[in-house]
Amino acid sequence: DAGVTQSPTHLIKTRGQQVTLRCSPKSGHDTVSWYQQALGQGPQFIFQYYEEEERQRGNFPDRFSGHQFPNYSSELNVNALLLGDSALYLCASSPGTGGTQYFGPGTRLLVL
Amino acid sequence: RKEVEQDPGPFNVPEGATVAFNCTYSNSASQSFFWYRQDCRKEPKLLMSVYSSGNEDGRFTAQLNRASQYISLLIRDSKLSDSATYLCVVHNTDKLIFGTGTRLQVFP
Repeated sequence: DAGVTQSPTHLIKTRGQQVTLRCSPKSGHDTVSWYQQALGQGPQFIFQYYEEEERQRGNFPDRFSGHQFPNYSSELNVNALLLGDSALYLCASSPGTGGTQYFGPGTRLLVL
Repeated sequence: RKEVEQDPGPFNVPEGATVAFNCTYSNSASQSFFWYRQDCRKEPKLLMSVYSSGNEDGRFTAQLNRASQYISLLIRDSKLSDSATYLCVVHNTDKLIFGTGTRLQVFP
């Protein structure tokens, strides 16, 4: 039983560029949440997707957007990258919006 | 004030020691509570859920005090493999709110 998978594992971009990160949830899970973890901090909630819709959102600007596909996989898009967007981006899946969340290995983004 | 507050440590303890981590949360409407463990450059992994009645899993004991909005984790007989960052997590309206984590280093 595959766990949560994310791609790519690492990414280097320059300021102003756009990036797309991908997540496949654990088998049987229909909800995907995205988190940003800066160095030395705990993960911060970005948003959650369920039934292909964004259900709730944390304190992140509109430059951060997402999508969920019919197979429950999800993408996180970040436009107009800033140096401060450098972080580990974590995807977590759960069975339903209130279920226990399991994390993928993350995508490490470096913005130069 | 942060929604979830933890002492960042580090806690440096010898093998076999008992160590306790504490955490406070600000939203009294929070629904459920967890401890996650995160190894260096890895994803957080669920260590255990936390209940008011207290719960134990081997060497690990977690406790929740809703009146004081306080969560604790006790690790007995520390092992070298326990070295990691321990994240206090509150589940509130379907999202997880994390503390900054407490770093534990167990030395021989």
